[in-house]
Amino acid sequence: AQSVTQLGSHVSVSEGALVLLRCNYSSSVPPYLFWYVQYPNQGLQLLLKYTSAATLVKGINGFEAEFKKSETSFHLTKPSAHMSDAAEYFCAVSAKTSGSRLTFGEGTQLTVNP
Amino acid sequence: EAGVAQSPRYKIIEKRQSVAFWCNPISGHATLYWYQQILGQGPKLLIQFQNNGVVDDSQLPKDRFSAERLKGVDSTLKIQPAKLEDSAVYLCASSFLQGAGELFFGEGSRLTVL
Repeated sequence: AQSVTQLGSHVSVSEGALVLLRCNYSSSVPPYLFWYVQYPNQGLQLLLKYTSAATLVKGINGFEAEFKKSETSFHLTKPSAHMSDAAEYFCAVSAKTSGSRLTFGEGTQLTVNP
Repeated sequence: EAGVAQSPRYKIIEKRQSVAFWCNPISGHATLYWYQQILGQGPKLLIQFQNNGVVDDSQLPKDRFSAERLKGVDSTLKIQPAKLEDSAVYLCASSFLQGAGELFFGEGSRLTVL
């Protein structure tokens, strides 16, 4: 079975500051890892995904994440926060098997202060 | 390209009443998912279809929830009878591939049970 833990249900940063959202995973088999973003009253949108190619994954809107097997982590970063980054972010994991369920974390609400 | 369509966007019912949600996935996407997102939590998979067959319904409360995808295209999720704890957003998603494929989400159907 796979699971993810997102550390910090709320993160607040100033505009222009570094964004760091933490995600640790648990998986008995090699995982696929994802970050999704959800804006108010909207569905989820894929930011980036790790599927066993490069461990540093670049996504949309300037976000990136690094897969660290030794730390079972997949933290999301962005060098400089923008007001439009304010949203809820979900880390998710699935196993590298056909039909594997995508399991989401509880989410981290990002607030960007002017 | 049209996205995942869901209706209705909002529904308010009394407990013990029934409700149905409809989803039309992106054209050509064989895999369709229904997720339940309770306020403050991450989405939880209820059921996953591959074409018109069920791949995973292990977390679907089958005594009150049912879902079908008869022609392998659009899908309906039904709750009967509804309980207070069913208040949530019901998200439909589709993907071209299972596993590492990107999930595309609809805007969701928000259910309030009074």
